[in-house]
Amino acid sequence: GENVEQHPSTLSVQEGDSAVIKCTYSDSASNYFPWYKQELGKRPQLIIDIRSNVGEKKDQRIAVTLNKTAKHFSLHITETQPEDSAVYFCAARYSGGGADGLTFGKGTHLIIQP
Amino acid sequence: NAGVTQTPKFQVLKTGQSMTLQCAQDMNHNSMYWYRQDPGMGLRLIYYSASEGTTDKGEVPNGYNVSRLNKREFSLRLESAAPSQTSVYFCASRRLAGGAIDTQYFGPGTRLTVL
Repeated sequence: GENVEQHPSTLSVQEGDSAVIKCTYSDSASNYFPWYKQELGKRPQLIIDIRSNVGEKKDQRIAVTLNKTAKHFSLHITETQPEDSAVYFCAARYSGGGADGLTFGKGTHLIIQP
Repeated sequence: NAGVTQTPKFQVLKTGQSMTLQCAQDMNHNSMYWYRQDPGMGLRLIYYSASEGTTDKGEVPNGYNVSRLNKREFSLRLESAAPSQTSVYFCASRRLAGGAIDTQYFGPGTRLTVL
């Protein structure tokens, strides 16, 4: 089955700086890669996703890049703000029409220092 | 439109007791999922259902059973709870046809403690 590794487990950055979280996956058949943000005591919320036919996707301050050859994808947050503090999860799934669930990384606790 | 709802929000059980976690979605989604979240472990898939009447095991199915009662509802049952099942349980759903077929929406979670 799929295995997703996520680094770092904790990331502390100064407000206004950029943050980068990296994930690798094992199954070359995986073709859908979402990122979720989870605040303390809340449900995971999708913030951005990418499919394997795209190398990069951007939404305002958030971007995701995908390197299929290296089986590696990353989340980039620019101009970080206090409300960006949360746990971020990457995930992977083969989206070939079936209903299989997501395989998640173990999460990154992002701390924005004022 | 409530999205994905779960009951109860909190539950405390004694070892060996049984209970059912309820999940419902009003988005007319085809697929539904149960995950558990443990500290430092991310979310792990327990069971999923592609459609009414079908269920399949995920990564960590042992000790659980599920029922897809109809298109809206997907329940998770613990027949004999164990302390290792102390966790936060999330239900999720997604559509399999039409727009945004990849996006998975999560419920608010059920925090379960087994003593």
